[in-house]
Amino acid sequence: QQQVKQSPQSLIVQKGGISIINCAYENTAFDYFPWYQQFPGKGPALLIAIRPDVSEKKEGRFTISFNKSAKQFSLHIMDSQPGDSATYFCAARPNNAGNMLTFGGGTRLMVKP
Amino acid sequence: ETGVTQSPTHLIKTRGQQVTLRCSSQSGHNTVSWYQQALGQGPQFIFQYYREEENGRGNFPPRFSGLQFPNYSSELNVNALELDDSALYLCASSLLTSNYGYTFGSGTRLTVV
Repeated sequence: QQQVKQSPQSLIVQKGGISIINCAYENTAFDYFPWYQQFPGKGPALLIAIRPDVSEKKEGRFTISFNKSAKQFSLHIMDSQPGDSATYFCAARPNNAGNMLTFGGGTRLMVKP
Repeated sequence: ETGVTQSPTHLIKTRGQQVTLRCSSQSGHNTVSWYQQALGQGPQFIFQYYREEENGRGNFPPRFSGLQFPNYSSELNVNALELDDSALYLCASSLLTSNYGYTFGSGTRLTVV
């Protein structure tokens, strides 16, 4: 019940387009949902995060949409740029598990110039 | 403010050997967690240390063990290495009750041959 499922596994978007990555979870005890960006040879870096009491959070070109009833959340990258090309991971954290994160399998995003 | 630093960056070990990986937390962080990231997959939580004690563990066998020191730095020890232990090992630090998620290091790439 700790699984977080992420799709698609890979995504190709034209420069200026919208990149959309989806995640679904099962454990209703999750109360914190971050997205991480990882470049080759680097550790994941926190991009944006949301809690289940809000349905949307926007930071610059990045927006998280959250659907608590469906147990789904998604990352939208507006005006995608070649520099956004990276692997993106959604994650979730239970409310009584300190900082233990359960990660999705990742989405490899390529933004074509 | 320094980030999370890990050493070594790369390591090759033989099956059955033991390995120790090291992590220096970001300044001011009191919690350290370790993750295993197999190639092409999302990170998997190994365990977390707070105040020098393990206070959360994922689905990893006892041959994975750790330490946290008074300066909040940490070690991950893996005994009786198996080929499947080949992965990127990530250290992450935070404040236990942080709302801002982890700061990850760049990881140690372990290859078991």
